[in-house]
Amino acid sequence: AQSVTQLDSHVSVSEGTPVLLRCNYSSSYSPSLFWYVQHPNKGLQLLLKYTSAATLVKGINGFEAEFKKSETSFHLTKPSAHMSDAAEYFCVVSSLQGGKLIFGQGTELSVKP
Amino acid sequence: EAGVTQFPSHSVIEKGQTVTLRCDPISGHDNLYWYRRVMGKEIKFLLHFVKESKQDESGMPNNRFLAERTGGTYSTLKVQPAELEDSGVYFCASSRPGTSAQYFGAGTRLSVL
Repeated sequence: AQSVTQLDSHVSVSEGTPVLLRCNYSSSYSPSLFWYVQHPNKGLQLLLKYTSAATLVKGINGFEAEFKKSETSFHLTKPSAHMSDAAEYFCVVSSLQGGKLIFGQGTELSVKP
Repeated sequence: EAGVTQFPSHSVIEKGQTVTLRCDPISGHDNLYWYRRVMGKEIKFLLHFVKESKQDESGMPNNRFLAERTGGTYSTLKVQPAELEDSGVYFCASSRPGTSAQYFGAGTRLSVL
């Protein structure tokens, strides 16, 4: 069975400081992992995906995530937060190509001026 | 390329009424998925179509929910009769054959009073 745990329900950072959103996963198979973002009143947007190629994955808007099998983690980072990064972020796992996605609980990111 | 479109964006109905949600996937995406987020909970899978066939409907909560995808194009999700606990945001997503990344619509917010 697959599952995802996002370790923080809410993270607050100051503009210009680094962002770290933590995610741990559990999977019986070699997983595909994703980060999605949802801005207020918008749909879910794919930030980045890991599908067993390079362990450091670069996404849109300066975000990246590192797949660490030994730690079963897939944390999302960004060197410098921008006000427009304020949103809810979801860590997601899919065990089968084309199969259902399993979502974490979401992390609300606030960015202070 | 047009994204996944859903309508209505918001529906308010009374308990016992019927509501039909519609999803138009990205052109050429054989895979179509429905998900739901109930207030305060994580986003959960409802079902998966491959073209017009139901590949996985393990997430459908009960027989008050009926999903169809006639002709393998757009899909509808009907709730009949609606109950208070059906309130939430219903998301549709689509993907190309043989790929894992899913692209989401903006969602339909359903409020059952």
